Amino acid sequence: QKEVEQNSGPLSVPEGAIASLNCTYSDRGSQSFFWYRQYSGKSPELIMSIYSNGDKEDGRFTAQLNKASQYVSLLIRDSQPSDSATYLCAVKGDMRFGAGTRLTVKP
Amino acid sequence: DAGVIQSPRHEVTEMGQEVTLRCKPISGHNSLFWYRQTMMRGLELLIYFNNNVPIDDSGMPEDRFSAKMPNASFSTLKIQPSEPRDSAVYFCASSPSLGLAGHNEQFFGPGTRLTVL
Repeated sequence: QKEVEQNSGPLSVPEGAIASLNCTYSDRGSQSFFWYRQYSGKSPELIMSIYSNGDKEDGRFTAQLNKASQYVSLLIRDSQPSDSATYLCAVKGDMRFGAGTRLTVKP
Repeated sequence: DAGVIQSPRHEVTEMGQEVTLRCKPISGHNSLFWYRQTMMRGLELLIYFNNNVPIDDSGMPEDRFSAKMPNASFSTLKIQPSEPRDSAVYFCASSPSLGLAGHNEQFFGPGTRLTVL
């Protein structure tokens, strides 16, 4: 069974801090990696995708990919209370999702 | 543009009854996915279709579950007979194409919350 593992939560950070979310995967052939955000009672929504090693920045969000270490992360700078949600890592080699990390940003 | 449409949004049924969940993908998307989400097991892929053809149904829990995609704009997930352990939120998602680099981003519907008593 191919695995996608996320760091266990919940994660709590103060407003304005950097939130760091991590994900490891087992399938070395995976090509596409995604971060989804899911508010309570809502459906997952895509916030970042990354395909190549290195960093990809989009506003306050930065995705980092290291295929050699089979590791993908999401950094949220200047965290806001509205960022409070569950963040799901998805590895599209086999369309599996991690269990999610619940993030709470405290005002 | 309309997103992925799912119906019903909520379904309450009794054990042993047949349940049919429906999904309309985003127009032009040729991949469709069914997921189940519970607190205990997270988001699980049940089955996905590409160009209306089932590609991987290894996530379908057992023979009580079946899925069809008769055309590009409609899919169903059927549970017969339903059991209390099937209670979950069922999401349908669609994607523009598989592509050469792997699968493209998925767009999720609002989900169907199923409760089996």
